[in-house]
Amino acid sequence: KNQVEQSPQSLIILEGKNCTLQCNYTVSPFSNLRWYKQDTGRGPVSLTIMTFSENTKSNGRYTATLDADTKQSSLHITASQLSDSASYICVVTTQFSGGYNKLIFGAGTRLAVHP
Amino acid sequence: DTEVTQTPKHLVMGMTNKKSLKCEQHMGHRAMYWYKQKAKKPPELMFVYSYEKLSINESVPSRFSPECPNSSLLNLHLHALQPEDSALYLCASSQEEIPPGYGYTFGSGTRLTVV
Repeated sequence: KNQVEQSPQSLIILEGKNCTLQCNYTVSPFSNLRWYKQDTGRGPVSLTIMTFSENTKSNGRYTATLDADTKQSSLHITASQLSDSASYICVVTTQFSGGYNKLIFGAGTRLAVHP
Repeated sequence: DTEVTQTPKHLVMGMTNKKSLKCEQHMGHRAMYWYKQKAKKPPELMFVYSYEKLSINESVPSRFSPECPNSSLLNLHLHALQPEDSALYLCASSQEEIPPGYGYTFGSGTRLTVV
């Protein structure tokens, strides 16, 4: 069964601190892995996307890593800001039998950044 | 233009009403998607359109009726909804399936409340 598991479920950190979110997946076939940021009541916004051959990808203060051997990914946030408070969702792309994309979503990590 | 635009942002409708959600993209994407997201849950795929044809229907009740008038527009017609259908409805689009998944972009969503 295709699954994406994220940890922790929720996290509280102080402004300016760093944090790392984890994602483990069992998805086959694997196309790519994305990290999305979703504010409450809004659509997900893509932060990074990595294919099988990519180990790391950065987007400003966000750095994602991918270990395709162990099927693990992480998202590291540096120098956190209050605006980083959101849900962070790990999403693995696979394919329907007809070749169409199918996204397997993790349950997300709810991050709260406090002053 | 790198956005998926959804209208309206908020919608309140009675159980006997007929309403429509609209989604538009001008990125040349040939696949478009409808998702439903309940609070604190990941998005659930409802429909997939590829080249303006319905490719995937994830066993969605007939009170939800999708329509793709052209390659840039996607509608979701709503009729006789139930209160449990209240959710955030997300539209997404992506490039051609091969290579898979790049450019997968979500709209900001329509917050639907059924009363």
